[in-house]
Amino acid sequence: DTAVSQTPKYLVTQMGNDKSIKCEQNLGHDTMYWYKQDSKKFLKIMFSYNNKELIINETVPNRFSPKSPDKAHLNLHINSLELGDSAVYFCASSQEAGLLTGELFFGEGSRLTVL
Amino acid sequence: AQSVTQPDIHITVSEGASLELRCNYSYGATPYLFWYVQSPGQGLQLLLKYFSGDTLVQGIKGFEAEFKRSQSSFNLRKPSVHWSDAAEYFCAVGARAAGNKLTFGGGTRVLVKP
Repeated sequence: DTAVSQTPKYLVTQMGNDKSIKCEQNLGHDTMYWYKQDSKKFLKIMFSYNNKELIINETVPNRFSPKSPDKAHLNLHINSLELGDSAVYFCASSQEAGLLTGELFFGEGSRLTVL
Repeated sequence: AQSVTQPDIHITVSEGASLELRCNYSYGATPYLFWYVQSPGQGLQLLLKYFSGDTLVQGIKGFEAEFKRSQSSFNLRKPSVHWSDAAEYFCAVGARAAGNKLTFGGGTRVLVKP
């Protein structure tokens, strides 16, 4: 069983479109995250949810809207896609919002290409 | 604000040789430090972590790292590299005071020569 699963794995779309990426974890973790990895492999946190509540919201355009229907799911919706949104988006989860366990479990990533 | 620097963008080593990846961090207090590995097309996997105590920490796959407060460093080492160690390696720093966020370095790509 995959611990953190994301869909779709690949997404190619036109500028201006709206798209969603879904994430599910079956680890029973309380906290989930979205990270963006750009073409230079630089990883940056976008959002974090703890038990469906938003706890980290970095400086991300409001075209990006996360949604957590329950603590096992964290989806990312992107409106009006731009070329600069092309990246690999990683979902991750951890046992608690704190860092005592220190371990994030990552999904395999969703590669978004905006044409 | 916390930050992480990995000075080496890529490193090439021969199989069986030793490997050391550098990581320098910036943070006012004692940070939580991590090393993750990313194999091609995969997500990141935790290799090891340091919170406190013994400054030499052991991780999975034969890796170890040493925390040196005086140098603000947390370098990753492996005595003998295997071809399967070819991957991207990320150092990360976290701190409760920083909102429990993990900040990643830019990564070091490791290539292994036969």
